[in-house]
Amino acid sequence: QVQLQESGPGLVKPSETLSLTCTVSGYSISSGYQWGWIRQPPGKGLEWIGNIHHSGSTFYNPSLKSRVTISADTSKNQFSLKLSSVTAADTAVYYCARYGHFFDYWGQGTLVTVSS
Amino acid sequence: QSLLTQPPSVSAAPGQKVTISCSGSSSNIGNNYVSWYQQLPGTAPKLLIYENNKRPSGIPDRFSGSKSGTSATLGFTGLQTGDEADYYCGTWDSSLSGYVFGSGTKVTVL
Repeated sequence: QVQLQESGPGLVKPSETLSLTCTVSGYSISSGYQWGWIRQPPGKGLEWIGNIHHSGSTFYNPSLKSRVTISADTSKNQFSLKLSSVTAADTAVYYCARYGHFFDYWGQGTLVTVSS
Repeated sequence: QSLLTQPPSVSAAPGQKVTISCSGSSSNIGNNYVSWYQQLPGTAPKLLIYENNKRPSGIPDRFSGSKSGTSATLGFTGLQTGDEADYYCGTWDSSLSGYVFGSGTKVTVL
């Protein structure tokens, strides 16, 4: 059974960098698929942030591309999200998920609040 | 504003049938597979339909999906109180080179 778990600070100050890690169990991220990040502001809909292919290629939402970096650590079976220069608009629940033309396995999500 | 348009809300009585539309364009729905996600209150989204009309293991056959041109539809019969949730369509957009989600539809059981 594939499982994903997000981890990272729940509070980030404005203008700083949000950093989250997704730990995957039950499947090796280097074996296949893409691995993605999706966020959901409170009371709003889902927004795709970006994916990393098992080969290391990355794909980002054009609206966030200048601030986003997704990387992977295959030795730990983890992939990570960095979002720079955050503002209150980046407050959201952040999900990691496995992507194979659709998101089939999701983490439970972690709330990140941007506030001083 | 999402590239995929869904009705904000749909409601029906228990046991009734519900359909949710997802309208896009040739750069997304028109040329790519559509998937549907169910998000129960306070939980992560769950894959309901993939590749337009396929159900993952464990999803009952009262849920169905279809696609025609640049629109897709999620349908489910025998509405239950446990179906009260937000439903999102999603697909790849070739122009954006990125994944897009629909605006979401809240289903209420009357």
